[in-house]
Amino acid sequence: KNQVEQSPQSLIILEGKNCTLQCNYTVSPFSNLRWYKQDTGRGPVSLTIMTFSENTKSNGRYTATLDADTKQSSLHITASQLSDSASYICVVSLYNTNAGKSTFGDGTTLTVKP
Amino acid sequence: NAGVTQTPKFQVLKTGQSMTLQCAQDMNHNSMYWYRQDPGMGLRLIYYSASEGTTDKGEVPNGYNVSRLNKREFSLRLESAAPSQTSVYFCASSAGISSASTQYFGPGTRLLVL
Repeated sequence: KNQVEQSPQSLIILEGKNCTLQCNYTVSPFSNLRWYKQDTGRGPVSLTIMTFSENTKSNGRYTATLDADTKQSSLHITASQLSDSASYICVVSLYNTNAGKSTFGDGTTLTVKP
Repeated sequence: NAGVTQTPKFQVLKTGQSMTLQCAQDMNHNSMYWYRQDPGMGLRLIYYSASEGTTDKGEVPNGYNVSRLNKREFSLRLESAAPSQTSVYFCASSAGISSASTQYFGPGTRLLVL
């Protein structure tokens, strides 16, 4: 069964610090990997998407990396802000299938404290 | 630009009651989705509609029905609500059904079944 595992489950950091969230997957054959940010009480918002040929994608202070060989991705947040407090969700999609076949991770809850 | 709207925002039902969750998008998107999100768990796809006039089952379709009323609107119906259907329901839309097409989520409907 295709799986997406995210770690850690939750993380607390101080404002201004950097952090890295992990996403490991078994989805194969792989098409793309997307990271979403979900603020409390809101719907998810897409941060980045990477295909198998890309190994880095940035969106402001958010940088996603992908190692398709080891089936691992990370989301690095630089100089964290209070507004970064949210759940971060990794979504992996199968090759040659539609969005209905994507697999969502359970998310990492990040809390940034002043 | 409203994006994806959902009604109601919150609903309490008794076991066995029925209700319809409404979703509308104003982005002229072809594809629409219904997800549920339980505490501490990832988003799970209930049903999706690749284009107007088509619907397909997702990962957890049992106990639900959907209607793609037109290109803008996609409703989710619970015929006989059960406590296990207590969850937050998100509607999303995307330009196309490809997994590379960004999904835009609504604010969610919080459903409590007693």
